[in-house]
Amino acid sequence: GAGVSQSPSNKVTEKGKDVELRCDPISGHTALYWYRQRLGQGLEFLIYFQGNSAPDKSGLPSDRFSAERTGESVSTLTIQRTQQEDSAVYLCASSLGGRVGSPLHFGNGTRLTVT
Amino acid sequence: AQKVTQAQTEISVVEKEDVTLDCVYETRDTTYYLFWYKQPPSGELVFLIRRNSFDEQNEISGRYSWNFQKSTSSFNFTITASQVVDSAVYFCALSEKDNTDKLIFGTGTRLQVFP
Repeated sequence: GAGVSQSPSNKVTEKGKDVELRCDPISGHTALYWYRQRLGQGLEFLIYFQGNSAPDKSGLPSDRFSAERTGESVSTLTIQRTQQEDSAVYLCASSLGGRVGSPLHFGNGTRLTVT
Repeated sequence: AQKVTQAQTEISVVEKEDVTLDCVYETRDTTYYLFWYKQPPSGELVFLIRRNSFDEQNEISGRYSWNFQKSTSSFNFTITASQVVDSAVYFCALSEKDNTDKLIFGTGTRLQVFP
């Protein structure tokens, strides 16, 4: 597709349930990122994938959060046993990677509400 | 450690006024990149500019201009003759050579331009 695609655009879930968020990066982009944006706040880095290298998971807030990426395609962010503080917009971005300073291209995000 | 500070939480101006958004960064690297992104009310993040640490030339793009000063670790963004469509949250971000494209974002400045 032309841009980064994320699904679902909105997700409402009950506390304690697991959720999966999907990101489809721009074709040819080797780098993929997940960020979290709480209401009225900045972007918080979660995890970064670059090609076949081990992902940088340094931003994941707890072991309830995990992400996978198959090759250079789709990525899934999973949140287990959701808590109310997980409510946020989860943004995915991709970039050409391999070159420091490549601009990130963001999707429209998934708005997660935990009730 | 790397850090980006946007001290201005919210700025309100009247159309046609000039406005400057401040960004101050911290990094131990000598090679790094600085970015500005715009997040309009629709939510998607739009890349505006990238500047590497070796290029201190100011840049102008239409009504937008950027002032990069390594001596003060600042990368300020000026909008000349602001318009209502400029209303958005603006984020400054930093990536370091050793962290490839992983961006560290500031907390953003919300700009409101009134007619």
